[in-house]
Amino acid sequence: AQSVAQPEDQVNVAEGNPLTVKCTYSVSGNPYLFWYVQYPNRGLQFLLKYITGDNLVKGSYGFEAEFNKSQTSFHLKKPSALVSDSALYFCAVRSARDSNYQLIWGAGTKLIIKP
Amino acid sequence: EPEVTQTPSHQVTQMGQEVILRCVPISNHLYFYWYRQILGQKVEFLVSFYNNEISEKSEIFDDQFSVERPDGSNFTLKIRSTKLEDSAMYFCASSERVGNTEAFFGQGTRLTVV
Repeated sequence: AQSVAQPEDQVNVAEGNPLTVKCTYSVSGNPYLFWYVQYPNRGLQFLLKYITGDNLVKGSYGFEAEFNKSQTSFHLKKPSALVSDSALYFCAVRSARDSNYQLIWGAGTKLIIKP
Repeated sequence: EPEVTQTPSHQVTQMGQEVILRCVPISNHLYFYWYRQILGQKVEFLVSFYNNEISEKSEIFDDQFSVERPDGSNFTLKIRSTKLEDSAMYFCASSERVGNTEAFFGQGTRLTVV
């Protein structure tokens, strides 16, 4: 069965420091991996995705994520955190072998950036 | 920038009542979805809709639920007889294609069943 794990409920980072939000997944077949961000009282906003090719993908607001097939991970990263990055981050996966439609979601990680 | 819009933002209803949650997907998108998130739990897939029919649904999407695209712009989720456990945030989403294509989400409707 497909699943996504975000092992940290919360990540605290000082402004200006690099940040990492972890995600591991389990699917049959090749995964399509996505990161979404949710700000308070807002919807789920797409950040970036991995489909195939280069393992390092870049997305909105300076975020990037690294796909690691052997570790089945897709960690979200940013070299220098901003206070405005504070939000709830969700990792999601879809595998064409299982379903072309539904996304399987992690539980979310609350990212707190302190000035 | 085009966006998915949902109404209402918050709906309170009595147990046993019918509710309709409304969504306007992005205009050139062909695939539509409903997801829900019960407080403190993961986001869960309910249903996908393409070409005026359900393309996939989860076990959650039982006979109490239905979806419709009544007029070519709106996409609705109906819960026929609400239960307390239907209380959740309901997200509508749309996408141009499926598979490796990202979906765009609305801001959600918080449904509270009392």
